[in-house]
Amino acid sequence: GAGVSQTPSNKVTEKGKYVELRCDPISGHTALYWYRQSLGQGPEFLIYFQGTGAADDSGLPNDRFFAVRPEGSVSTLKIQRTERGDSAVYLCASSEGRGQPQHFGDGTRLSIL
Amino acid sequence: KQEVTQIPAALSVPEGENLVLNCSFTDSAIYNLQWFRQDPGKGLTSLLLIQSSQREQTSGRLNASLDKSSGRSTLYIAASQPGDSATYLCAVYAGNQFYFGTGTSLTVIP
Repeated sequence: GAGVSQTPSNKVTEKGKYVELRCDPISGHTALYWYRQSLGQGPEFLIYFQGTGAADDSGLPNDRFFAVRPEGSVSTLKIQRTERGDSAVYLCASSEGRGQPQHFGDGTRLSIL
Repeated sequence: KQEVTQIPAALSVPEGENLVLNCSFTDSAIYNLQWFRQDPGKGLTSLLLIQSSQREQTSGRLNASLDKSSGRSTLYIAASQPGDSATYLCAVYAGNQFYFGTGTSLTVIP
């Protein structure tokens, strides 16, 4: 596609529920990143994929968070047993490779009630 | 851990003024530095990327400089316009990730 696409744009759910957030990167981009942005803050790194593998998942806050990219294109960020503190905007970015300019989607605004 | 700081946090200027946004980072071992623009409710739009071996990059009315040894970058915006109103974020790439500052919220008054 023309840009990075994230769905849904908004997600409201109750504490304790499971959520999945989807990212469609720019076609041909091998690197994919997930970030989390709280109000008034800059994005914080969660995980980096190079191809199908998670090259760096050091930013995932705990084991409730997991991400996959099974075919090296679309990625899904999964959050189990959601907590109110998980509320944030989740941003996805893709690039042609490590260290190349990153192109961001518009994010998914997640609200945990 | 890399820390990125942006000053000022907010800036309001009349249309037509030239302005400078500042970014500093604590660890000079960076791969590159990228400036982004973020509009409310939107993702980030890349403005300029400076490789660690470069000193500056220019695009239209924007000029970004990098002094890696001192851990500083500036974004210069010439002849500001109301459409420039947005939050500007600086990010340094090190390891496998970008480290972001908290941004400068810019308002250009018509």
